[in-house]
Amino acid sequence: AQSVTQPDIHITVSEGASLELRCNYSYGATPYLFWYVQSPGQGLQLLLKYFSGDTLVQGIKGFEAEFKRSQSSFNLRKPSVHWSDAAEYFCAVGESSGGGADGLTFGKGTHLIIQP
Amino acid sequence: GAVVSQHPSWVICKSGTSVKIECRSLDFQATTMFWYRQFPKQSLMLMATSNEGSKATYEQGVEKDKFLINHASLTLSTLTVTSAHPEDSSFYICSVAHLNEQFFGPGTRLTVL
Repeated sequence: AQSVTQPDIHITVSEGASLELRCNYSYGATPYLFWYVQSPGQGLQLLLKYFSGDTLVQGIKGFEAEFKRSQSSFNLRKPSVHWSDAAEYFCAVGESSGGGADGLTFGKGTHLIIQP
Repeated sequence: GAVVSQHPSWVICKSGTSVKIECRSLDFQATTMFWYRQFPKQSLMLMATSNEGSKATYEQGVEKDKFLINHASLTLSTLTVTSAHPEDSSFYICSVAHLNEQFFGPGTRLTVL
């Protein structure tokens, strides 16, 4: 069975500072990996995804993530955070691209707090 | 991307009653929809996969008689929580599969008194 671990429940970062959110997955085959952001009152929004190819993927809102097979990791990064980035971030793994018949397995999320 | 709505956004009900939650795909026809449950401060847990015109596929541990899913059209899936109890209180989120992505609804907060 696949699983996702987000080791950090909360992270506090100063506005303008860099950010890295950790994600480790467990899956027997090539994973399909996603990062979503959840803001209060809004649905989950896809930040970026990795299916294959270049292991460094660019997403929306200035986010990027790097797939490292040897470490079973897919960490999310942003060089300079903004106060509007404060939200809950979820890493997820799917057996397919997500457009098929399989649901996603989510990590427990990381709550990002931005300090002024 | 696809736009997904849920109704209601929140609902409070008495223990023993049934509650229906709607998930609508507003701008495309969705063959497959998913239902997730999210407990406070926790992750989303996949409950079931809803396929238009066929029976839903439930994840292990999810009671299909408790959580009735109907996907009668390509734009609407419903989740009915039957004989709700306080432990069913949660945040229920649906998603639709489209173009190799899942697009999520805003969620429905269910509180059972």
